[in-house]
Order: sequence, then structure tokens, then C-alpha cells
Amino acid sequence: GQQVMQIPQYQHVQEGEDFTTYCNSSTTLSNIQWYKQRPGGHPVFLIQLVKSGEVKKQKRLTFQFGEAKKNSSLHITATQTTDVGTYFCAGPKDSNYQLIWGAGTKLIIKP
Amino acid sequence: SAVISQKPSRDICQRGTSLTIQCQVDSQVTMMFWYRQQPGQSLTLIATANQGSEATYESGFVIDKFPISRPNLTFSTLTVSNMSPEDSSIYLCSANYGANVLTFGAGSRLTVL
Repeated sequence: GQQVMQIPQYQHVQEGEDFTTYCNSSTTLSNIQWYKQRPGGHPVFLIQLVKSGEVKKQKRLTFQFGEAKKNSSLHITATQTTDVGTYFCAGPKDSNYQLIWGAGTKLIIKP
Repeated sequence: SAVISQKPSRDICQRGTSLTIQCQVDSQVTMMFWYRQQPGQSLTLIATANQGSEATYESGFVIDKFPISRPNLTFSTLTVSNMSPEDSSIYLCSANYGANVLTFGAGSRLTVL
């Protein structure tokens, strides 16, 4: 069945270091979405990518959608404590109104 | 931005009892979704709730265990029936406000003893 794989499961970084999470879909996606879930919180929508090869930036966050529309990445430059949380990618299921979720990547800032 | 109110935020329940979670959205939406999230895990879709029709359940979830109501376009409930400790989890309601982007409620953290 349709799957969205996301790696790594965890990433420990020093504050100020960069962070990257990767998503790979088993099928071509019409779009991919990214959500952030703070510890103890609920997922919050960050961005949606639609076009092949699309790159979008939100301050220190850079989102990319692959040329084949099967993979995506989120890169955070110079992490801050406010970036802590779990980042999920999600793509539409074949039905198009449901989402297939990646496993999430937990960003942990080393003390 | 869209606001979804979900309650209770947390509860501790006894085995064999049932709990109903309520979800209120601030504007009319066609589809609402109920998810379960185990600690440290991703989101698992329980069912899709459409107004005026039976909910559509995902594999592994059945109506007798997780009955859902959707009486109008701004409200839905999920009941967790005959609870066991394995039902301890976070339950999240969400709504699709357009372009398949989801807005989530704050979640209901359920502990079953």
C-alpha cells in the first residue's frame, strides 16, 4: 500500500546547529505537507508544497519538494530552543481527502 | 485561523467504561477526522466523519468500539467504548478547511486503568 517513510526518527543537535528531516513516498504525490508538534501539543500545519522541484522558505526553515514529487525535506538552519518538537510530513492518500503520515522526526536540543 | 475546541483535554477512566470526546469547529466543514496518537508515535486515522452519513472507519477500527456522531457541520463526537488499558492514548480531532490541509484540536489524553 501507499507509504510515506520519514527519517531520521530522532536528531540530537546543539543549539545553533542545523537540522534536516527527509520524507520519501512510495507513490507520486500531488502535494506534500509539513506539520510541527511541540511536546505535549497537537500538530500544527507549517506548509504545503505542490510543484515539482518547489522550494519554500519560512525564516530559518527551508522546505523542498523533489522533481519526481516523491520526496521532500525540511531543513532548519541554526536551530533554536523554540524549534524543539516533532516534525511530520504528510501526503494525500489515493482518495485525496485523507493524509498518509510519516513517522515524524523528533528534534532534540542537547543541553 | 481556524479554531477547533476539543474536550475533555484529559481523563482517567476505569476499564470497561466508555468516554465521549467532543469536537467543535468554528466554521462549517464537510469532513472531520478522528486520529489516535500513541506517545512518541505518528498519527493513525480512526475514521472520517461526514455530516449526514455514517462515518468511514479505517482498517482495525470498528463502529462498535469507536462510535462517531456528526449531527451538523460544526460538531462531532467520538466515543471510546468498553475501554481497556490498550486504549490509553491521545485522541485528536481535525478538520479539513481546504486544500486537504488539516487543523487539529488540542487533543484528549486518555488513561485507562
